[in-house]
Amino acid sequence: AAGVIQSPRHLIKEKRETATLKCYPIPRHDTVYWYQQGPGQDPQFLISFYEKMQSDKGSIPDRFSAQQFSDYHSELNMSSLELGDSALYFCASSRQNTEAFFGQGTRLTVV
Amino acid sequence: EDQVTQSPEALRLQEGESSSLNCSYTVSGLRGLFWYRQDPGKGPEFLFTLYSAGEEKEKERLKATLTKKESFLHITAPKPEDSATYLCAVKGTSYDKVIFGPGTSLSVIP
Repeated sequence: AAGVIQSPRHLIKEKRETATLKCYPIPRHDTVYWYQQGPGQDPQFLISFYEKMQSDKGSIPDRFSAQQFSDYHSELNMSSLELGDSALYFCASSRQNTEAFFGQGTRLTVV
Repeated sequence: EDQVTQSPEALRLQEGESSSLNCSYTVSGLRGLFWYRQDPGKGPEFLFTLYSAGEEKEKERLKATLTKKESFLHITAPKPEDSATYLCAVKGTSYDKVIFGPGTSLSVIP
C-alpha cells in the first residue's frame, strides 16, 4: 500500500540558510499535517492543510511557511535556519476524522 | 486546552510479563483517540483508532481500550521486538490537528 513519502530523508544546512522539505501524501487523503520532533520529545504540531487550504496552525515560527499544491503534495519552507531547528520533521496525511499516517521523516541538521 | 498525558514515562518488562500503558486525555469533543508505535529515528506507526467509550481494538499482543477520560494499551506476553515508544494522541472536534502525549518508552528484556 502507498505510504506518505518525504524528501529528502536527511538534510544538512548552515545557520541562516533556507531549507525546503517535501511531502507526498497517501492518494485520496484530504488532510496533510507537519510535525517537528526534537530528541526525546513527542511530535509537536506545526501546521495542517485540508483540501489545499490551511486548516490549523500550531507553534510554527514566522520563519517557516508551508503550502499544499494542486497535486496535493506539500512543502515546508524554513528560512534563516537556527541551530535549534535541528530536528526530525514529519509529514502525515489522513482522510477527515480518521487516523493520520506518518512518513519516515526528514532529519534536518543545522550546523 | 486539550491535552494528553501518559504514564508511566518508561516501562521495563521481562519477556512474557504482561502490563498496561495509560493515556489520560482532556478534550472538548473527541473525534478520535489514536495509538502509535515509534521506533528511534522513524515516523510514528499507526496502531489503533478508538472513537467512543467502551470501544476496544486488538492486534496481536496489543489491546486498546477507551473510557471517557482514559485509554489503556494492554500488552500481553510481550516480546523484545515490542520495545519502542508508544504514543497516544487525540483529535478534537474544534481543530484539525493530532495532539500527542509524551509517550511511554517500553523496553522488553529477553
